[in-house]
Amino acid sequence: GDSVTQMEGPVTLSEEAFLTINCTYTATGYPSLFWYVQYPGEGLQLLLKATKADDKGSNKGFEATYRKETTSFHLEKGSVQVSDSAVYFCALSQASSNTGKLIFGQGTTLQVKP
Amino acid sequence: SQTIHQWPATLVQPVGSPLSLECTVEGTSNPNLYWYRQAAGSGLQLLFYSVGIGQISSEVPQNLSASRPQDRQFILSSKKLLLSDSGFYLCAWSRSGIHEQYFGPGTRLTVT
Repeated sequence: GDSVTQMEGPVTLSEEAFLTINCTYTATGYPSLFWYVQYPGEGLQLLLKATKADDKGSNKGFEATYRKETTSFHLEKGSVQVSDSAVYFCALSQASSNTGKLIFGQGTTLQVKP
Repeated sequence: SQTIHQWPATLVQPVGSPLSLECTVEGTSNPNLYWYRQAAGSGLQLLFYSVGIGQISSEVPQNLSASRPQDRQFILSSKKLLLSDSGFYLCAWSRSGIHEQYFGPGTRLTVT
């Protein structure tokens, strides 16, 4: 079945460092891909998305490119801030599904130190 | 604009007591609705989803049930809570045919 694998955390960075969180997926066809962010004690927020190969999603300085050849959707940010500390989830959905179900990775905790 | 509400925000319940968590969505009609559980330090587990009133699909066998009595209302229930039911419960919605989901603020349930 479909699945999403993220790099294990926690990822600890200093402020202004470059961030990469790896995400790879296994799926048939052409799924849509998402990154969600969860701040402590809160629900998940949609960070960015991409719906077809070579699409680049971007938001708040974060970017991810849908790479079908490597089945990847790595999250990047050029300069992280302390306020970016959170748990990041990669997810996919099948366009053919009428239920809109998402398959999530296990989440990666990011800690940014001043 | 659309908003999603969950209540209560936190709940402490003894083992064997009943449970009712409520989720409502405003500003849209006929949404797909989802219940997730997140155990401490873990990822998300999809519990139930619904594509319409009275239509509930269960993802995992468990001690919980869900109902959708109105178009934009989704309720998670249990007749007798177990210790293992503790966790962070998240409700989410999506537009039919569009797969990005929007999450509520969550309910922290502690079963003692």
